Amino acid sequence: NAGVTQTPKFQVLKTGQSMTLQCAQDMNHNSMYWYRQDPGMGLRLIYYSASEGTTDKGEVPNGYNVSRLNKREFSLRLESAAPSQTSVYFCASNELGYRDEQFFGPGTRLTVL
Amino acid sequence: GENVEQHPSTLSVQEGDSAVIKCTYSDSASNYFPWYKQELGKRPQLIIDIRSNVGEKKDQRIAVTLNKTAKHFSLHITETQPEDSAVYFCAASRATGNQFYFGTGTSLTVIP
Repeated sequence: NAGVTQTPKFQVLKTGQSMTLQCAQDMNHNSMYWYRQDPGMGLRLIYYSASEGTTDKGEVPNGYNVSRLNKREFSLRLESAAPSQTSVYFCASNELGYRDEQFFGPGTRLTVL
Repeated sequence: GENVEQHPSTLSVQEGDSAVIKCTYSDSASNYFPWYKQELGKRPQLIIDIRSNVGEKKDQRIAVTLNKTAKHFSLHITETQPEDSAVYFCAASRATGNQFYFGTGTSLTVIP
């Protein structure tokens, strides 16, 4: 039981490049989330997926797109990376109405030059 | 949307002393309040949570209190140990919704 996994662990991009961050969970959770963590700003929600086939914007969605590929996988795409997107990205999942606790992945440290 | 404020941003205590971290929230409909601990370079992990139908919850050295009227909740750590050193985040959400709003974090240092 791996919980929530993310790839890659680290990534360096040049401004304008694109990339996709991958996330998978094996806990059969319906809900999945993408957060970014910046120094002094806590965790901010980018997008979430309440269930397979649905996605919704969070607090800071600009510059990102997501895909809920199936119940297990939720990817985050940066189409044209900007230095302001330098951050640590965390994926999380939970089962609302059961325990609500969010389980986080190990994070992806992204640097945009 | 919800606004969660967390204080202090840094906290240093002597080993064995108590530590208290406070959060306020703005949305009266929020009814689930988790606390996460994040060690350096690691993922956030839940340490305790409380729902709005409860005023206090305790788990060994950790306790959380909630004042719905004043819209604030606090984390209390007693008999602190060096391994308690980490960043702690509070959060608030509606149990029927998916949006979790996090505080900006408190960096706790326990001095041996």
